[in-house]
Amino acid sequence: DAGITQSPRHKVTETGTPVTLRCHQTENHRYMYWYRQDPGHGLRLIHYSYGVKDTDKGEVSDGYSVSRSKTEDFLLTLESATSSQTSVYFCATLPASTDTQYFGPGTRLTVL
Amino acid sequence: AQSVTQLGSHVSVSEGALVLLRCNYSSSVPPYLFWYVQYPNQGLQLLLKYTSAATLVKGINGFEAEFKKSETSFHLTKPSAHMSDAAEYFCAVRASGTASKLTFGTGTRLQVTL
Repeated sequence: DAGITQSPRHKVTETGTPVTLRCHQTENHRYMYWYRQDPGHGLRLIHYSYGVKDTDKGEVSDGYSVSRSKTEDFLLTLESATSSQTSVYFCATLPASTDTQYFGPGTRLTVL
Repeated sequence: AQSVTQLGSHVSVSEGALVLLRCNYSSSVPPYLFWYVQYPNQGLQLLLKYTSAATLVKGINGFEAEFKKSETSFHLTKPSAHMSDAAEYFCAVRASGTASKLTFGTGTRLQVTL
């Protein structure tokens, strides 16, 4: 258990509204990741962070931004949500000196 | 770029039967390979991983996988299925570089019947 929590766990919003998802970890892991999970696509990397204020794009970053002002928090923001961003979002962290990512419980986002 | 292909989006086995979930990878460098399991409404949990040590890897819950370079495969097996094994299983490959980014397959949903 890597002490990862995600909030909110469920959210329903409307097209065009901004949405922020939060990932919080208690293990002081340097690397953090945001993925989205969609049927038929598995998990796809949106953004990742390799330290405070250090972030980079993943495979499906369009329409998303991230911020990491503290080691323990990694925020994912949808500036203007679209129906195509309806998905389940997972946060993951990578402990130092390992190659195994640990995943949070996920956030189910529905954009109407 | 690395990629993985999981053959079969749904697999159904009888309780007590062999479980075989297929994963083939593509990688320009020696890969690190992972199998994760996802139970309903939960996050992903690591089952096992290959990191260039032993080619036969044993994981949790009686699962194992064999890395076969000649076949670019990393199939997941379990000799005898249990009802509690019903879940979705994801194969993943680690990208080169220091960020340990994972590329996932599309997943295989395992159904176990009586």
